Amino acid sequence: AQKITQTQPGMFVQEKEAVTLDCTYDTSDQSYGLFWYKQPSSGEMIFLIYQGSYDEQNATEGRYSLNFQKARKSANLVISASQLGDSAMYFCAMRERGEGGGADGLTFGKGTHLIIQP
Amino acid sequence: AAGVIQSPRHLIKEKRETATLKCYPIPRHDTVYWYQQGPGQDPQFLISFYEKMQSDKGSIPDRFSAQQFSDYHSELNMSSLELGDSALYFCASSLRLAPNEQFFGPGTRLTVL
Repeated sequence: AQKITQTQPGMFVQEKEAVTLDCTYDTSDQSYGLFWYKQPSSGEMIFLIYQGSYDEQNATEGRYSLNFQKARKSANLVISASQLGDSAMYFCAMRERGEGGGADGLTFGKGTHLIIQP
Repeated sequence: AAGVIQSPRHLIKEKRETATLKCYPIPRHDTVYWYQQGPGQDPQFLISFYEKMQSDKGSIPDRFSAQQFSDYHSELNMSSLELGDSALYFCASSLRLAPNEQFFGPGTRLTVL
């Protein structure tokens, strides 16, 4: 089964609108972390936001917020007031407590290609 | 702020050759991770190191090996290269005690001809 599911392969959004990118995850761990990364066409992976499984408040970083619904196992990224520069691939990823002892690798979803239109 | 440094940024090799990719983590970060991202794919975790010891292992082929040195930099060694090894290879770093931050380097684009 997919550990991370991103159901929107592509999205077109008008500039200045808010955007919600969906992410659901599958884990039996109690302790895990959820990440969102942005990958522009230039290829770098830019860390956006993190949510720990025990965090009671939804994470926020500037225009980015994470809508964390633990019971539904979803961790949607919300971008407020989208800008042309937000056009990129967006990946949701999860870190589970494995054998890495805190140095565990991330499992990524397939990504959502977001295009902001003027 | 200093970021993760990877070298080289681009590399072209022939089939069956070897390649070595280098990663210099963010200063004071003690943990490094290697990921492989094929064209149009999501990144796949290969391996991680903490304090020179292998910590976690993902889908790293037997032809690949990696190590972390005392200054925390890491090298990914790839032998008997195949066409399918053509990909973007990312190194990421974090503090083991703060795994909520995992910052990626710019990547090395490997092309195998």
